[in-house]
Amino acid sequence: DQQVKQNSPSLSVQEGRISILNCDYTNSMFDYFLWYKKYPAEGPTFLISISSIKDKNEDGRFTVFLNKSAKHLSLHIVPSQPGDSAVYFCAAAGGTYKYIFGTGTRLKVLA
Amino acid sequence: GAVVSQHPSWVICKSGTSVKIECRSLDFQATTMFWYRQFPKQSLMLMATSNEGSKATYEQGVEKDKFLINHASLTLSTLTVTSAHPEDSSFYICSARPTYNSPLHFGNGTRLTVT
Repeated sequence: DQQVKQNSPSLSVQEGRISILNCDYTNSMFDYFLWYKKYPAEGPTFLISISSIKDKNEDGRFTVFLNKSAKHLSLHIVPSQPGDSAVYFCAAAGGTYKYIFGTGTRLKVLA
Repeated sequence: GAVVSQHPSWVICKSGTSVKIECRSLDFQATTMFWYRQFPKQSLMLMATSNEGSKATYEQGVEKDKFLINHASLTLSTLTVTSAHPEDSSFYICSARPTYNSPLHFGNGTRLTVT
């Protein structure tokens, strides 16, 4: 049972445009959500998080939106840069100490 | 801050031998560390939770006798893959967090290849 889903395995965006990565979850106990960026052969790097008491959190070019009623969150990157090309994982936690990860979306930013 | 170091970054071993992977929190103390495994083109699967001074908690389907975890101090957890077989070849990543409500910070992972 995949509690955290990223339905788009890949996404290509032109440099300078907005990248939107989506994530859906099923467990209503989740109250803390995170986005990670991962390069090949490296561990994931934390990008941004949001708690369920908020619906938006912004950090520089990265903004995470949370829609609790739809059990959906998204990561917006604007403007997208070639260095943003990586695999992005969303993760959720709540109810237990465990962080559940989605399957990842490979973002390719075209120069 | 919140740096997690993992060693080695890659290892090749022969079938039947054991391999130890170290995970250290460099600038914070971690009573809990997490070990993940990533298969190609798949998500990060939690294998076990390492608890300082007590036994690790293993996820369903993970053989605790094959994947031995020791969390001897507040900054070090080790994962030993015992009697490794080719199907154990994978990317193993550890993580830790400074406080309960803070993000997980990951090591750079260990690529294990069993021949």
